[in-house]
Amino acid sequence: QAGLTQPPSVSKDLRQTATLTCTGNSNDVGNEGAAWLQQHQGHPPKLLSYRNNNRPSGISERFSASRSGNTASLTITGLQPEDEADYYCSAWDSRLSVVVFGGGTKLTVL
Amino acid sequence: QVQLQESGPGLVKPSETLSLTCSVSGYSISSQSYWGWIRQAPGKGLEWIATISHTGTTYYNPSLRGRVTISIDTSKIHLSLRLTSVTAADTAVYFCASQLGGRDYADFWGQGALVTVSS
Repeated sequence: QAGLTQPPSVSKDLRQTATLTCTGNSNDVGNEGAAWLQQHQGHPPKLLSYRNNNRPSGISERFSASRSGNTASLTITGLQPEDEADYYCSAWDSRLSVVVFGGGTKLTVL
Repeated sequence: QVQLQESGPGLVKPSETLSLTCSVSGYSISSQSYWGWIRQAPGKGLEWIATISHTGTTYYNPSLRGRVTISIDTSKIHLSLRLTSVTAADTAVYFCASQLGGRDYADFWGQGALVTVSS
């Protein structure tokens, strides 16, 4: 089962903007779009956005998602210390009828 | 808001069957929805295991198909997972999650249950 591709790590300065990427193909990200999850160490994941750019209730507007072709992106503006976490993307693979995850990106806020 | 809580044995012997239950509150598991199990091996990323719809349609990770069964119990308040013939590679934190918006993403997650496979 092929997964989605995410860079293993990203480092940005406090109050700067980070853009995380997630690359799939036309059967997954390019089809129904991607969701983004945030996971702090020792905690369950938390949904940040779904189907490219929909934010669940309670999620800060500092988190915004988009998609271009087969690549989804999560942009985090005004980085805060609490944004330091692992970020995962996921998507439905319409060919395999499975959910696929990216390997995760560890975001460090300097 | 949906709340989920996983329960089950924390230690399973190799070759035996792992069984977990997920208690759901705040939403009727029999209402239009999907429900899933996801796991995370120590220090690793997320791995989707299976999803079931409220009507009983199931979707399985091909790498686990044949060993895994997801079900909703007849009382419609529990989600269950069975994984047979476990090995050390199945050691992970197992999360149950609601997929209320559709089968493509998980919206609410349980706290997770660590299952260790060891003799």
